[in-house]
Amino acid sequence: SQKIEQNSEALNIQEGKTATLTCNYTNYSPAYLQWYRQDPGRGPVFLLLIRENEKEKRKERLKVTFDTTLKQSLFHITASQPADSATYLCALVGGSSNTGKLIFGQGTTLQVKP
Amino acid sequence: DVKVTQSSRYLVKRTGEKVFLECVQDMDHENMFWYRQDPGLGLRLIYFSYDVKMKEKGDIPEGYSVSREKKERFSLILESASTNQTSMYLCASSDPSRGQETQYFGPGTRLLVL
Repeated sequence: SQKIEQNSEALNIQEGKTATLTCNYTNYSPAYLQWYRQDPGRGPVFLLLIRENEKEKRKERLKVTFDTTLKQSLFHITASQPADSATYLCALVGGSSNTGKLIFGQGTTLQVKP
Repeated sequence: DVKVTQSSRYLVKRTGEKVFLECVQDMDHENMFWYRQDPGLGLRLIYFSYDVKMKEKGDIPEGYSVSREKKERFSLILESASTNQTSMYLCASSDPSRGQETQYFGPGTRLLVL
């Protein structure tokens, strides 16, 4: 069956360092992958989308890679700040892309310490 | 900016009550979704709708129904609330014509069933 895995353990890093979060998937050939940020008690907010034919995408301090051979996406936050502390979710298109359904990973919580 | 609003941030209901959760989006999106989010289980899709009066079951539809009479409004109904329906409920919308399936989430409703 289709499966998305994100590291369930919280990631703790020091301010200024680069945070790297991992999203692995199996039994899937997604056309694209998305990353969302979720703050406690709030709904997820879309951050970045990367297509299967793109190796890397950047937006300000954020960088996403997509390796369809390894079936893995990496999400990097450079020069991390305490305000980056949140839970980060990856999401893949579920089934036929025109259904609009996304399959979400469970998320990884990032804690950036000053 | 897309805005998705949910009728309540917090709700407390008794077992057996009928519960209505309302969601409204202001960007003329075709698709709307209802999820529940529980610790350790991530986001799980309850129902989604790709047009007015159209609905499809998600992964966990049991105990829930939905209504979409107008394009901008998608309601989730708990016919007879039970304690195992205590959860965070999130509504989302997306525009499939853009081909990216980015979902825009509301702030969530935290429901407690006593």
